[in-house]
Amino acid sequence: DTAVSQTPKYLVTQMGNDKSIKCEQNLGHDTMYWYKQDSKKFLKIMFSYNNKELIINETVPNRFSPKSPDKAHLNLHINSLELGDSAVYFCASSQTLNTGELFFGEGSRLTVL
Amino acid sequence: GENVEQHPSTLSVQEGDSAVIKCTYSDSASNYFPWYKQELGKGPQLIIDIRSNVGEKKDQRIAVTLNKTAKHFSLHITETQPEDSAVYFCAASTHFGNEKLTFGTGTRLTIIP
Repeated sequence: DTAVSQTPKYLVTQMGNDKSIKCEQNLGHDTMYWYKQDSKKFLKIMFSYNNKELIINETVPNRFSPKSPDKAHLNLHINSLELGDSAVYFCASSQTLNTGELFFGEGSRLTVL
Repeated sequence: GENVEQHPSTLSVQEGDSAVIKCTYSDSASNYFPWYKQELGKGPQLIIDIRSNVGEKKDQRIAVTLNKTAKHFSLHITETQPEDSAVYFCAASTHFGNEKLTFGTGTRLTIIP
C-alpha cells in the first residue's frame, strides 16, 4: 500500500504545453505539499495545503496552480511549460503543518523539450 | 529567510568506517532539524530529527548533534554499510515542523565495499 502516490512518474512534453501531476495520500494527513528538485538535487518547497486551504505559496510563477479537491489529494497543473520547468516534482504529506515527519511520494520527472 | 549550508557535497567512505555530514543554518530562531535520506529513484525519507532543546540524539548507528551557539548540526553514521549509500539532506525550520522547512543542498554518500 503506497502512502503517497503521484502520477505520472515520467512526463516528457514540448515547451508551451499544459500538463498536470496528480497526488494522493492514504495516511489521513491534514497537510500536503509540492516540492521541486532541480538537476543539482536542490529541494525547494513550492506549495503547502492544510485541510484543502493554501498555506504556503513560495515564489512560484503563476503558471503553476495547485488544486486540492479534498485533503487526500493535491494536484499540480502547469501552464505554458518552459525549459526551466524540467525537474523532479515531489508530493509530500504530514500529519499536520507543524508535526514532524514529511512522507514523500516517489516523484514525477518532468522533461520539457 | 533561512539559509542552510551542507558539506561535503560528496563523501566516499570504506564500509565499516564512519561518515559525518555537517550543516550550518542562519536563522537563530530555527528549532527543528530533520535529516532525510534519498535513495536512487525514490522520495526522501526521514531518518532522524532533533529539536533545539536537545544537544544530541541517537538511533542505532545514526546520531545527530546540535550546537545552537555555533548554529550547526551534524549527522554521524557509524559502521557504515552498502545500503547507507544515498543522498542525505539536512533541513531546518523555525516552527517545530514543516511550515518553514528549508533543506540543505544534499550530500551524496557512497560506501565502498
